Amino acid sequence: SAVISQKPSRDICQRGTSLTIQCQVDSQVTMMFWYRQQPGQSLTLIATANQGSEATYESGFVIDKFPISRPNLTFSTLTVSNMSPEDSSIYLCSVGEGWTEAFFGQGTRLTVV
Amino acid sequence: AQSVTQPDIHITVSEGASLELRCNYSYGATPYLFWYVQSPGQGLQLLLKYFSGDTLVQGIKGFEAEFKRSQSSFNLRKPSVHWSDAAEYFCAVGASSSNTGKLIFGQGTTLQVKP
Repeated sequence: SAVISQKPSRDICQRGTSLTIQCQVDSQVTMMFWYRQQPGQSLTLIATANQGSEATYESGFVIDKFPISRPNLTFSTLTVSNMSPEDSSIYLCSVGEGWTEAFFGQGTRLTVV
Repeated sequence: AQSVTQPDIHITVSEGASLELRCNYSYGATPYLFWYVQSPGQGLQLLLKYFSGDTLVQGIKGFEAEFKRSQSSFNLRKPSVHWSDAAEYFCAVGASSSNTGKLIFGQGTTLQVKP
């Protein structure tokens, strides 16, 4: 299994600013994933982050808005840029290796005011 | 395109009663299916998963699910619900043939348990 730590657990931010969310895994993993869960909604995959290469974004998500770093096999960051109230969501980091299961962090609850 | 549908947005059951949460999927190949539970303010916890083999899978907390290919369904069941089961339940299908991390989630079902 994998233990995932996300920071911050929650934040309230002013519109127009940016927030960087950190995700730390207790073991080395090839791929890390970032999801968004808008209020009352399901989880939507934002992007897949591979170490040593650019992240792969899903339809509707762009790098300028959600830049991702993956400097090593245990760490990744997601930045939510130029925030608006519509970005208020829970952002979750996930890892999965092979076909076992996906492990999720506790999430970062972001409120943009 | 792959998709997951959970027809019931909100379900209320009495404590001790049986539970069935519905999940239908659309996937071109053999699906990898999961049920996750999310308690308020908590992350996602895996209840059970189906990859292949026996179509009735057992999970944690007394949950089970049955994969029915003919109906494209993977319904979650529990014979007797406890108050602590009140939470949000998500069905998911693996979107990648090579990695469990890339999942497509259903809309979720909120379970309320009456005393």
